[in-house]
Amino acid sequence: DAGITQSPRHKVTETGTPVTLRCHQTENHRYMYWYRQDPGHGLRLIHYSYGVKDTDKGEVSDGYSVSRSKTEDFLLTLESATSSQTSVYFCAISGLYGYTFGSGTRLTVV
Amino acid sequence: TQLLEQSPQFLSIQEGENLTVYCNSSSVFSSLQWYRQEPGEGPVLLVTVVTGGEVKKLKRLTFQFGDARKDSSLHITAAQPGDTGLYLCASKGISGGSNYKLTFGKGTLLTVNP
Repeated sequence: DAGITQSPRHKVTETGTPVTLRCHQTENHRYMYWYRQDPGHGLRLIHYSYGVKDTDKGEVSDGYSVSRSKTEDFLLTLESATSSQTSVYFCAISGLYGYTFGSGTRLTVV
Repeated sequence: TQLLEQSPQFLSIQEGENLTVYCNSSSVFSSLQWYRQEPGEGPVLLVTVVTGGEVKKLKRLTFQFGDARKDSSLHITAAQPGDTGLYLCASKGISGGSNYKLTFGKGTLLTVNP
């Protein structure tokens, strides 16, 4: 299986603070994705990357930014966290037959 | 507007029963993937179907892709408690956007009681 890890696994932060989530892969895949998963909404794409320094917006990108300075790392930043960004965040990489997901980061904004 | 509709939303059955869950769209799928997600983990790919009318089997799981490529079903025979999880269907390019972005349905939450 492709190696993909997310950190941290859990985080509690205060409203208005910046937060960065990290996704690391060991498989040299070109495409990487950030999704959020919420009850009643399912998985929704936030941002994705198609190469180093090449990123694009998904359907729920407002309030989020991303960076990819190396093939293996894809960072998701909440510039000023809000309670509506409380969610479970998943990173994924795109392989030949489908996506491989990380184990997720549970983020709570209080 | 939900582009991929899954039904039922929730399903609770006894061990040994059979079940079918569905994934439908008004648009034609280029391909369709099924994932299973267990609590506290990310989704795991089960199968990809590409050709209309295609049937794939994975042990007790049978996946069908509709002839018109607008619907798919997942049938589980003799369900076991280990089958418990959220079953998600997903497709690329369904919204008319990039073929490299997956769009997911909201899923069917299956509980198999011993």
